[in-house]
Order: sequence, then structure tokens, then C-alpha cells
Amino acid sequence: QKEVEQDPGPLSVPEGAIVSLNCTYSNSAFQYFMWYRQYSRKGPELLMYTYSSGNKEDGRFTAQVDKSSKYISLFIRDSQPSDSATYLCAMTSAGGFKTIFGAGTRLFVKA
Amino acid sequence: DTAVSQTPKYLVTQMGNDKSIKCEQNLGHDTMYWYKQDSKKFLKIMFSYNNKELIINETVPNRFSPKSPDKAHLNLHINSLELGDSAVYFCASSQDRDGELFFGEGSRLTVL
Repeated sequence: QKEVEQDPGPLSVPEGAIVSLNCTYSNSAFQYFMWYRQYSRKGPELLMYTYSSGNKEDGRFTAQVDKSSKYISLFIRDSQPSDSATYLCAMTSAGGFKTIFGAGTRLFVKA
Repeated sequence: DTAVSQTPKYLVTQMGNDKSIKCEQNLGHDTMYWYKQDSKKFLKIMFSYNNKELIINETVPNRFSPKSPDKAHLNLHINSLELGDSAVYFCASSQDRDGELFFGEGSRLTVL
């Protein structure tokens, strides 16, 4: 079993839809949770960073962490064609130096 | 001004050859990494360095030799290349050991 599980998709939605992306993990030592966005032929870029259970909002993006269920989510409201990319969940333990990534979900937002 | 830069962006080579990828960051970070992304986009950590010292080696074959001449540089040398080494290799850096990773644009290695 992988430490971090993420459905690779692809996920195709119409413009304006609400998108829900999810990851589960098995290592209870993970304390810091991130979502990265990766456009084709580019390096991943950080979207959201959280370190506690609950919700964190930034514009159209909301990150949700449920440590008791070992489950994290990213919601994208009013999705735009420019949101079309691969979204990778990532997490690390308190010791650090080793961020583990999910497989990434490819998202297509159709105009 | 690019924060994390890698060279070359593309390498095409034959099995058995040796190749190197260079990485430089101008963010003043203490920690640098090498990640490998396979054809299915799975991003897997290979090495972590902190202040030029190796911290993490994720059971990478010893054909892969990272070297950090100073905090701003982390290079990757690969000996006796195999078909399975074909991938995109990303260099990254971070201010804190559990903080945001800043990635380069990747070096796409194709082994024929």
C-alpha cells in the first residue's frame, strides 16, 4: 500500500463547476499537508499549505484536512479553463526533509 | 530571475552512457532535493540535502551520485544509464525542512 493514495483521473468538468480532489494517507506521522499544481512541462507550484485539521480558504480554493480519517481534499469553486492541470497532494512529517506526493489528478476544465 | 534552474532541460542518450544534471537556486535556501517523475506523473523523492550534507537517500541505486558543492547547488550524476531511468528529474529547494518546495522546470531524460 502506498503511503499516499490519489485517484489519477482524468477528471473533466465544464467551466464554472465545483471540483473536488481527494487524497488518503496511511502514515499518522504526517503533520503538514499541501496541494501543488503542475502545468504541462512545468515544475509543480504550491497552491495550499495546511498543518491542522479543518478548512483553509484562499480565493476560489479551499483545502480541507481530516486527520482522524487520514483524508485531505481540495475544492475549486467556479472552475476556469486555466485551472486545467495536474493537482498533486503532498505531505510531510515533523522530521521533514521528505515530502511525499500522491500520484496526481489530471483535471480538464472545458469552456 | 529564475529561482531554481536546472540544466540541461532535455537529454537523449544511449543505454550505458553517463550523464549529469546541474541545479542552482538563488533563494538562499538551506535544503535541496532531487525528485523523479515517471511517465504516469508520479513524483518520487530521491535525495534530500541540508547545508551540503546528505539527509535522505530513498534507496536509490548507487549509479546515481548527488553532489552539493555549496548550499546553492545540487548536481546529479548518473552512471551506466538504463531504460528505466527515462523520466523527468526535478530539482527543488525549501527554506524549512517541512516547508514549501520550490521546483525547477525539470530535466527530461530519455534513454534509448
